[in-house]
Amino acid sequence: DAGVTQSPTHLIKTRGQHVTLRCSPISGHKSVSWYQQVLGQGPQFIFQYYEKEERGRGNFPDRFSARQFPNYSSELNVNALLLGDSALYLCATSLWLTSTDTQYFGPGTRLTVL
Amino acid sequence: EDQVTQSPEALRLQEGESSSLNCSYTVSGLRGLFWYRQDPGKGPEFLFTLYSAGEEKEKERLKATLTKKESFLHITAPKPEDSATYLCAVQDSNYQLIWGAGTKLIIKP
Repeated sequence: DAGVTQSPTHLIKTRGQHVTLRCSPISGHKSVSWYQQVLGQGPQFIFQYYEKEERGRGNFPDRFSARQFPNYSSELNVNALLLGDSALYLCATSLWLTSTDTQYFGPGTRLTVL
Repeated sequence: EDQVTQSPEALRLQEGESSSLNCSYTVSGLRGLFWYRQDPGKGPEFLFTLYSAGEEKEKERLKATLTKKESFLHITAPKPEDSATYLCAVQDSNYQLIWGAGTKLIIKP
């Protein structure tokens, strides 16, 4: 079975631009979470979606938004990019929303903002 | 405030030299504690989930244990391929994961 896939793998943008990152979950997984990971740190929670509804939001500005589609894939959008947005963006999916459910991660999208 | 602290930040071991990584946490309403392994430039790979104090889980050379305030990841007779960053995360009452900064493990042949 295919794991979590993310696209693109790498992305270079300039300050002020907009970016869209995509995530396809493992088949049957209905929950998608997005994380930002800066080099040398653990992932920071951005959003969680379950059954196409936002179920949680981390401490990120309104420039960050996301949505989940009927096929459970998801997009993360970031507007007005700043240099500090440069990071590895990780998508994680799980079957449900409960504590017994493990999150499985994709390979990430490396975003560089110049 | 919910918090996860991992120590040490980095650990260098000789091949075959056993050791432990620590993850201490403060969280209200702990639902689970997770260990992941992350190789450079890749997404975290799931290792273990622990739910209650006293619980232990093993996988090859790794063993994870949990108390009410911390978790340990014991690595026995490590090999160079065990070199990676090991991340610990706790799941809070809202089912969200709070992550530590990780321990970078380097195993020298």
